[in-house]
Amino acid sequence: AQSVAQPEDQVNVAEGNPLTVKCTYSVSGNPYLFWYVQYPNRGLQFLLKYITGDNLVKGSYGFEAEFNKSQTSFHLKKPSALVSDSALYFCAVRDKPGGYQKVTFGTGTKLQVIP
Amino acid sequence: GAVVSQHPSRVICKSGTSVKIECRSLDFQATTMFWYRQFPKQSLMLMATSNEGSKATYEQGVEKDKFLINHASLTLSTLTVTSAHPEDSSFYICSAGTGTSGYNEQFFGPGTRLTVL
Repeated sequence: AQSVAQPEDQVNVAEGNPLTVKCTYSVSGNPYLFWYVQYPNRGLQFLLKYITGDNLVKGSYGFEAEFNKSQTSFHLKKPSALVSDSALYFCAVRDKPGGYQKVTFGTGTKLQVIP
Repeated sequence: GAVVSQHPSRVICKSGTSVKIECRSLDFQATTMFWYRQFPKQSLMLMATSNEGSKATYEQGVEKDKFLINHASLTLSTLTVTSAHPEDSSFYICSAGTGTSGYNEQFFGPGTRLTVL
C-alpha cells in the first residue's frame, strides 16, 4: 500500500523568507511524486512532479521539490515566499507506472505567508 | 492546455432528490477520470475511477448505487448523487488523466459544492 504523510497542518512564513512544506512517502515500488496547490473553494492545481532523474525538480510559480530516497521525503520549497502563495498544499504519490493511476494524497498543509 | 471543467460549481438541493455533476475535459481526451470527495479542512478521498466505456471502479466503502458514475465519452464523466441526504453535503472534485502512462499528472476540475438541506 502507498501512503503520504504531511506532518505539519500549517506552516507560517514571513513574506520574502524561504519556505518548506514537508512530505514523506511510503511505497512498495518506485515512487511517482506530485505536489498540488488548492486555493479556497477551488480544485487542485498541479505544481510539479518527480518521476525519475534529477532529484531537484522545478515547477510552477517558482516552487521546487527535492526527492530524497534515503529519507523517503519530497519536501516542497521556494526561496522567497509571496503572500499570494498562501493556500493549501497537497503532496501525492503513486507507485504504479501504468494502467490504473490511483493517487494517494496527503492530508494537506496550509501555508500562511505573512506580509 | 489540459483544462477540466465541472458543472455546476455549486448546488443546493432538498433531501431525497438526485443531483448530477458533470466533469469535462475541454482540450484533451481523458481515458480515465477520477471522482474525489473533500470534507472541510481534510484531504481528498478518492471515490471512484472511471474509464471511458466501462464500469467505474469504486473505492472501498463508497456506495456504487448511491454515487452513480457514467463515463460515456472521452471528454465527459458524470457523477449522480441519488437520494441525497445532508451527510452527502461536501465538495466534489473530478480529475482527468491522459493516456495510460503513469507518468502523467492528473488535471483537476474546480470542484462542485453540494449542499443538501
